[in-house]
Formats: sequence, C-alpha cells, structure tokens
Amino acid sequence: QQQVKQSPQSLIVQKGGISIINCAYENTAFDYFPWYQQFPGKGPALLIAIRPDVSEKKEGRFTISFNKSAKQFSLHIMDSQPGDSATYFCAARIRNQKVTFGIGTKLQVIP
Amino acid sequence: GAVVSQHPSWVICKSGTSVKIECRSLDFQATTMFWYRQFPKQSLMLMATSNEGSKATYEQGVEKDKFLINHASLTLSTLTVTSAHPEDSSFYICSASAQGAGAYNEQFFGPGTRLTVL
Repeated sequence: QQQVKQSPQSLIVQKGGISIINCAYENTAFDYFPWYQQFPGKGPALLIAIRPDVSEKKEGRFTISFNKSAKQFSLHIMDSQPGDSATYFCAARIRNQKVTFGIGTKLQVIP
Repeated sequence: GAVVSQHPSWVICKSGTSVKIECRSLDFQATTMFWYRQFPKQSLMLMATSNEGSKATYEQGVEKDKFLINHASLTLSTLTVTSAHPEDSSFYICSASAQGAGAYNEQFFGPGTRLTVL
C-alpha cells in the first residue's frame, strides 16, 4: 500500500522555469512532511520540510505548499537551474516513527 | 548540520561471502538508526530500525538472519549481509536520528554503500 503518492515520476524543465512536484497522502496521522534531494550515487539530503499547521514554507528558491483538507502537498522550485537536476522524494512521518517515502521524481533541468 | 558517514562507499564480493557495512554519526549521538535499501530508479525501502543497545526491528519481508544489524553504541551501527547472493546487490543507505532533537527528530542520511555481489 503506497501511503504517499508522488507525481510525476520524471520531469523536464527549462532553465529558469518552475519545477512542480506533487504528493498526496492518506494517513491523517502524518504530522511531518520532508522533501529530500538525491544525486546519483549519493544518499538523500533533507531539502525542506513542513508541518501540517502551516500552509506554505519557503526557503530560497524552494517552496512547499500544503493543503491539509485535500491531503496534498507540493514542492515548487523557482528559477530552476541545471544543478537542481536530481531525484526528489516527498515523504511523510508520524512523530518519532519511520519515514514513508514517495516513489521519487527525476528532475532534469535543461539549459 | 549533522553528518552521517558510511564505510565502505562501495564493495564487490563473491557469492556466499559476508559483507559488513558501517554507519557512523560523526557529530551527534544517534539513539535510532535506520537501514534502507534502494534499487536503481526506485525509492528507498526501509529494512530495519535499530535503537542503541536493543535488537533491531525488521520490516516485513526482511530476513533478520540474513541482514544482521548491530547498534552497539550511540555513534555506530553495522549491517552485515550474510552469505550474499547476486540478488542482494543494491545501494544500502543508513540514517540516524537523535533523541531530544525536538518533536520532529530529523533523520540524517549517510552517503550510501554500493554492494555488488558476483
């Protein structure tokens, strides 16, 4: 059972454009939603995270939008750069319990 | 930020041999460590959760006798793949979290270990 659904699985964006990755969850007990960035051959690194009492969180070019009633959240990468090309995983977690990952989105930013 | 290291970064072994992978938290004490497995172009799959000084909790379908996990100290956990076979070839990633780091104890991931079994 896939508890966190992520789309699209792959995404191509032109340099300077906006990359948008969407996730949906089913378990209303989730109370922490991190996004991870993973480069080939490397472990994932925390990019940005949000709690359900906040509708939006912005850190530099990265923004999470959170819709609690719809049980959906998304990552927006503004002014996308070739260096942003990586695989992005949304995730969800219940306090102090294991992280549930989405399937991942491979982002390619072309010049 | 918190740093987690893994050793080795890659290993090639013959079928039937055992391989040990180390995971260390370098600048914090990790009360809980997690071991993941990742196949190419797939998401991370949690194998087991280990708390310092306790037996690991394995996810459904993960053979505890094949994947031995030891978390003997607050900075070190090891994963031993026993009698490795080609189907065990994968990217193994550990993560660590610290108790008391707020209600949303973040997990910090290691760089991963690429295991190839010939």
